[in-house]
Amino acid sequence: GAVVSQHPSWVICKSGTSVKIECRSLDFQATTMFWYRQFPKQSLMLMATSNEGSKATYEQGVEKDKFLINHASLTLSTLTVTSAHPEDSSFYICSAAPGGVDNEQFFGPGTRLTVL
Amino acid sequence: QKEVEQDPGPLSVPEGAIVSLNCTYSNSAFQYFMWYRQYSRKGPELLMYTYSSGNKEDGRFTAQVDKSSKYISLFIRDSQPSDSATYLCAMLEGAQKLVFGQGTRLTINP
Repeated sequence: GAVVSQHPSWVICKSGTSVKIECRSLDFQATTMFWYRQFPKQSLMLMATSNEGSKATYEQGVEKDKFLINHASLTLSTLTVTSAHPEDSSFYICSAAPGGVDNEQFFGPGTRLTVL
Repeated sequence: QKEVEQDPGPLSVPEGAIVSLNCTYSNSAFQYFMWYRQYSRKGPELLMYTYSSGNKEDGRFTAQVDKSSKYISLFIRDSQPSDSATYLCAMLEGAQKLVFGQGTRLTINP
């Protein structure tokens, strides 16, 4: 149980275009979903936290107008990278938390974004 | 200074060796300490988590926390080639925010 999927797993786009990444909790309802970014040989950095039906909370230094997060249901969150540039190329990973005492986060497999 | 420091390695050891992975941290507010394993092109999976100082064992894995020194460790006994992965330490800030170390890439050689 506790499976999180991401789609697409890999995407290449031209500079200036927008890219949408989906994160789904397949067998549980996620009270909270998180979006991370991981540059090569660096740690995962939390970008934003979202609760279903609420606006996302962004970490300091993350542009909310550039990284649009929609948490439309308890099983789906989307991250849209708007007007992508080469420096946005990274590995984007989501996680989902069902809530409860442990509040464990279950991670998706990640999406590799390459902006040309 | 990063909140969580972890030697990125890479670390290469022979099969059967004992592996020691370590992280230091600077934020005294961290209360929960986790170790994740991440295979190439995959998301991290939780291996162990601890709350208090001391040791916690789970099979071949032992997590150790020393809050007074702000130092945590993960030991892997009888290491196997299937243990080859990147190991990330993470700490919980507040109720939800995970702060990760850089990750140590580990290779177990048959």
